[in-house]
Amino acid sequence: KNQVEQSPQSLIILEGKNCTLQCNYTVSPFSNLRWYKQDTGRGPVSLTIMTFSENTKSNGRYTATLDADTKQSSLHITASQLSDSASYICVVSGPNKFYFGSGTKLNVKP
Amino acid sequence: NAGVTQTPKFQVLKTGQSMTLQCAQDMNHNSMYWYRQDPGMGLRLIYYSASEGTTDKGEVPNGYNVSRLNKREFSLRLESAAPSQTSVYFCASAAGGETQYFGPGTRLLVL
Repeated sequence: KNQVEQSPQSLIILEGKNCTLQCNYTVSPFSNLRWYKQDTGRGPVSLTIMTFSENTKSNGRYTATLDADTKQSSLHITASQLSDSASYICVVSGPNKFYFGSGTKLNVKP
Repeated sequence: NAGVTQTPKFQVLKTGQSMTLQCAQDMNHNSMYWYRQDPGMGLRLIYYSASEGTTDKGEVPNGYNVSRLNKREFSLRLESAAPSQTSVYFCASAAGGETQYFGPGTRLLVL
């Protein structure tokens, strides 16, 4: 069964600290993997997209990694800011279909 | 360039009432999608339209109908609302299998 699992479900960190969010998937065949950021009360916004051959991709303080062999991805946030408080959703694309994780809710406290 | 717009932003319905959620995109995307998002769950696909004139069921289509009016607009209709349809509804568009762009969402409460 094609699934996307994210961990942890929620996370609280202090401003300025780093954190890493995990995404494991069983989607096959695999097309690409995206990380989205969803602010409270808003629609998701794409942060990164990674294809099978890419191991790492950065977008400012956000760095995504992909291990296609173990079917794992991570999103690392460096020097967190209060504005990073949001849900982060991992989305894996199969053939003509998107599979969504349930998200990690990040709370950055001052 | 407004991206993806949705109306209304918020709606309260009584059980059995009907309503249509509107979605429009100005990015000339072929594909459009309707999702619902419930607390603690990921986005679940209700219906999608790969191109103008075509629609297909997603993961949770029961109780909903859709219309791809033209390339820009994709509406979602609840014929007889039920409390189980209380949710936040998101419309999205994409150029084929590329990144999806989401609207701001419609919050629906069915009493």
